[in-house]
Amino acid sequence: AQSVTQLDSQVPVFEEAPVELRCNYSSSVSVYLFWYVQYPNQGLQLLLKYLSGSTLVKGINGFEAEFNKSQTSFHLRKPSVHISDTAEYFCAVSERTGANNLFFGTGTRLTVIP
Amino acid sequence: DVKVTQSSRYLVKRTGEKVFLECVQDMDHENMFWYRQDPGLGLRLIYFSYDVKMKEKGDIPEGYSVSREKKERFSLILESASTNQTSMYLCASSLRRQGVDTIYFGEGSWLTVV
Repeated sequence: AQSVTQLDSQVPVFEEAPVELRCNYSSSVSVYLFWYVQYPNQGLQLLLKYLSGSTLVKGINGFEAEFNKSQTSFHLRKPSVHISDTAEYFCAVSERTGANNLFFGTGTRLTVIP
Repeated sequence: DVKVTQSSRYLVKRTGEKVFLECVQDMDHENMFWYRQDPGLGLRLIYFSYDVKMKEKGDIPEGYSVSREKKERFSLILESASTNQTSMYLCASSLRRQGVDTIYFGEGSWLTVV
């Protein structure tokens, strides 16, 4: 069974500062990894995904994430945040084989302070 | 662009009512999903469907049923709504049956049961 842990439920950060949102997963099989963003009153939008290849994945809006297999982590980073990055961020994992659905973490609310 | 449309954004229903949440996607995706989102719990899968007339239980199917009579439409049914089903419901769809392709989300339906 899959599980996803987002260690920080809330992360406040000042504008133009760097940010890291942490995500760890547990799985007995190979996985795909995702980060989604949810702006207020909206559905989820894909930020980036790791399927295979380079472990450093670049996504939209200047975000990137690094897959670390030994630490079973997929942390999301941005070197300089903007007010518009204020949102909830969800890490998700899916097995490479088997059921085609995502398992989500509980989310991290990023608040960018002017 | 992929479009996943949830017909009702905000609903208020009484306890015991039968509730239908409708979802339509326009990209000929095989897979469709219903998730429930609650603060501190992230997204939890209720049901998913690989194809027309096919359905699989997710993590929290109790109190819900689904219908997929056409490929583009996936309905979530609350047979007898209860107050603990007050939540945000998210529909999603994706392309592949094996492995995982990007899952696209609708904007969500806020259901309040009084």
